[in-house]
Amino acid sequence: EPEVTQTPSHQVTQMGQEVILRCVPISNHLYFYWYRQILGQKVEFLVSFYNNEISEKSEIFDDQFSVERPDGSNFTLKIRSTKLEDSAMYFCASRRQGAYEQYFGPGTRLTVT
Amino acid sequence: AQRVTQPEKLLSVFKGAPVELKCNYSYSGSPELFWYVQYSRQRLQLLLRHISRESIKGFTADLNKGETSFHLKKPFAQEEDSAMYYCALSTAGGTSGSRLTFGEGTQLTVNP
Repeated sequence: EPEVTQTPSHQVTQMGQEVILRCVPISNHLYFYWYRQILGQKVEFLVSFYNNEISEKSEIFDDQFSVERPDGSNFTLKIRSTKLEDSAMYFCASRRQGAYEQYFGPGTRLTVT
Repeated sequence: AQRVTQPEKLLSVFKGAPVELKCNYSYSGSPELFWYVQYSRQRLQLLLRHISRESIKGFTADLNKGETSFHLKKPFAQEEDSAMYYCALSTAGGTSGSRLTFGEGTQLTVNP
């Protein structure tokens, strides 16, 4: 059964550095999402992406964040200048056309020191 | 704005006992509701969606629009059911966007 994959599984970076988190959605899915979960808190929506553009973003998704689909398979989340409070688990998800359910990747644990 | 509430952070039952994980939501329109499960160190997995009215691993959930609830139930809990359970709501009904709003999660422990 196809699955969403994410790399790396764990990323440690210093405050102020740029990070890129990578996701490979399920191949016939057209809608892509990023969520994050700060330790001990709920899973929060960041952004959704469809047809090569952002379709919705939350108030968390400020100018420090960007998303891109650089080729036919990858979907990336970039944080330009990381802050301590960006430390969290970041989940990618995808959904096919006409369906309601989203399928999640295993997550990338980002630690900002 | 939509909101999902799971009032119990922790729930502990014995094997063979019935279990109910509570979920309440607030949303003015017609929501799509889901239960996701996260076993230890694994990804979030879709367990149930209200629209399909199916039973997965013995779990069922009924959408009660009057009480704005979508409680997850299983008549006889098994040890392998121990996991984190998240209730989630989607508002856009399959169109572009369709962000999921999650509850805080309930950690279910099934004791032998």
